[in-house]
Amino acid sequence: AQKITQTQPGMFVQEKEAVTLDCTYDTSDQSYGLFWYKQPSSGEMIFLIYQGSYDEQNATEGRYSLNFQKARKSANLVISASQLGDSAMYFCAMSTEYNFNKFYFGSGTKLNVKP
Amino acid sequence: EAQVTQNPRYLITVTGKKLTVTCSQNMNHEYMSWYRQDPGLGLRQIYYSMNVEVTDKGDVPEGYKVSRKEKRNFPLILESPSPNQTSLYFCASSDGLPNQPQHFGDGTRLSIL
Repeated sequence: AQKITQTQPGMFVQEKEAVTLDCTYDTSDQSYGLFWYKQPSSGEMIFLIYQGSYDEQNATEGRYSLNFQKARKSANLVISASQLGDSAMYFCAMSTEYNFNKFYFGSGTKLNVKP
Repeated sequence: EAQVTQNPRYLITVTGKKLTVTCSQNMNHEYMSWYRQDPGLGLRQIYYSMNVEVTDKGDVPEGYKVSRKEKRNFPLILESPSPNQTSLYFCASSDGLPNQPQHFGDGTRLSIL
């Protein structure tokens, strides 16, 4: 069975510091993709970053990077130089070769950035 | 502008009164999906469609119906809504390629009294 686990319901970080949001996944499929989404208080879902299971390098998008550790089945999101606008809910998601159109989401992490 | 449009954004209604939430995308995506978001549970897939006239159940399909008569539209139907269907609903679309994210609408907040 496919599963995404986010064990941090809420986190605080000081503005300008880096923060890591944890995500572990479970799948027996060899080919899969991992995604992170941001949900601000306004409610929309914003795609941040993608990592494929066969990608050898960790994905990066601006201040976002994905720390992909395949053997440990973890795909942690790292946000560098946190900004007040980073305060939001963050979701980790996965799709697999069984059906790349079916996404599995974690329960989310609420990040609060303190000034 | 590429987008997924859901309507209505907010709806308060009563138990048993049929309702439809519309979803339309302008990206010519083949794949569309409905999710519900509940506190502590993340997003759970209700139904998805891989193309016109092709739909399948997600993880929580009970109490919902969908149809896909046109590629761009994927309405969610609650034939007899109940209070446990009070939730935030998202429609999403994608082109179905492995490395492509799903594009989400802005969400519909439903309250069933």
